[in-house]
Amino acid sequence: KAGVTQTPRYLIKTRGQQVTLSCSPISGHRSVSWYQQTPGQGLQFLFEYFSETQRNKGNFPGRFSGRQFSNSRSEMNVSTLELGDSALYLCASSSLTGGYDQETQYFGPGTRLLVL
Amino acid sequence: KNQVEQSPQSLIILEGKNCTLQCNYTVSPFSNLRWYKQDTGRGPVSLTIMTFSENTKSNGRYTATLDADTKQSSLHITASQLSDSASYICVVKRGNTPLVFGKGTRLSVIA
Repeated sequence: KAGVTQTPRYLIKTRGQQVTLSCSPISGHRSVSWYQQTPGQGLQFLFEYFSETQRNKGNFPGRFSGRQFSNSRSEMNVSTLELGDSALYLCASSSLTGGYDQETQYFGPGTRLLVL
Repeated sequence: KNQVEQSPQSLIILEGKNCTLQCNYTVSPFSNLRWYKQDTGRGPVSLTIMTFSENTKSNGRYTATLDADTKQSSLHITASQLSDSASYICVVKRGNTPLVFGKGTRLSVIA
């Protein structure tokens, strides 16, 4: 099976712009989670989608939003970019067939966003 | 406050040597604890998942231990290889809520 894919891999934007990142989960996986990773804060949870419904949301401002499509592909959007949004954005998918407690998350390679 | 603390922040060891990474957590209620390996420029890869009732789990040269009473976990790497150079992240799951991540230990294995 192909792994989790994320596009684009690298992105440079300027302050005030908006950006959309895309994630294609492993075939058959219906749960997709998004994370922001920075050197100072480590990995921080953004949101989780399951079957097109947002199931959990982290402590990020409303400028961060996401959605999931019927084919389980997911997008996240960041509006009015700030310098502090520069980070590696990771997407992870899981099948949940083993139960929510034990599911393994499979991460994509991430999208590195630089805001100038 | 639900937190995961890892030590040391970074570690340099010689190829072939063993090392142990530490993780302390205050996350409650505890559901499970995971160790991930993240190579530079890549997403994290799961090494082990342990529930409350498990106190050790191995994956090749990686052995994780869990003491749920003291809320401590360790990841032991045996006979290190250059390819073990990576960040190792301890992650705790709290009920049905999102994962809580430590900031990781950066391991460098040198020849």
